[in-house]
Amino acid sequence: EVQLVESGGGLVQPGGSLRLSCAASGFTFSSYAMSWVRQAPGKGLEWVSAISGSGGSTYYADSVKGRFTISRDNSKNTLYLQMNSLRAEDTAVYYCAKGNTMVRGVTRYYYYYMDVWGKGTTVTVSS
Amino acid sequence: DIQMTQSPSSLSASVGDRVTITCRASQGISNYLAWYQQKPGKVPKLLIYAASTLQSGVPSRFSGSGSGTDFTLTISSLQPEDVATYYCQKYNSAPFTFGPGTKVDIK
Repeated sequence: EVQLVESGGGLVQPGGSLRLSCAASGFTFSSYAMSWVRQAPGKGLEWVSAISGSGGSTYYADSVKGRFTISRDNSKNTLYLQMNSLRAEDTAVYYCAKGNTMVRGVTRYYYYYMDVWGKGTTVTVSS
Repeated sequence: DIQMTQSPSSLSASVGDRVTITCRASQGISNYLAWYQQKPGKVPKLLIYAASTLQSGVPSRFSGSGSGTDFTLTISSLQPEDVATYYCQKYNSAPFTFGPGTKVDIK
């Protein structure tokens, strides 16, 4: 069974840092793009960041660029989100989500829609 | 960046009704469009990708269409368990933006 389990959320003061983790199982982790998506209380879904299967390509929403860093350890089947300079508006449930992939010939293509989601971890930024 | 809009923002329909939700991209995105369902208090669930491909296990009353800038999600016969907020998402290139959502409930 494909499973994603997030951890690392909590209460942090404005300007502080947190590192979220997402442990993946049930699929060949290194073959798939992964994303972080957040949802502020009572609000819609906001795409935050994504990374290719190899980790060689990373993408960020403008709202977090320069403050958040996405990374992955394919030997540990784990995705990370390092969050620095946190603001009140970063308060949200953070979801880890699996993307998709296709191989044509010798080229692997990554697709950044999300077919499996974790249950989320809550980040609260408040003094 | 390409902006995603959805209409309506909310709707109320009767059980058995045909429901249509529209998603519009500010520039063409080919068919790189996904639809998600999020029930109250639950994790989002993928319904459709590539604009019209039904994800495995999703009931056939859900369908998607469109290409370029205009897309639709249709529920052919609304059921009580379909009460949820529905989001579209573009994934042709970063940023992989979601639409603002359409809340569907039962009249």
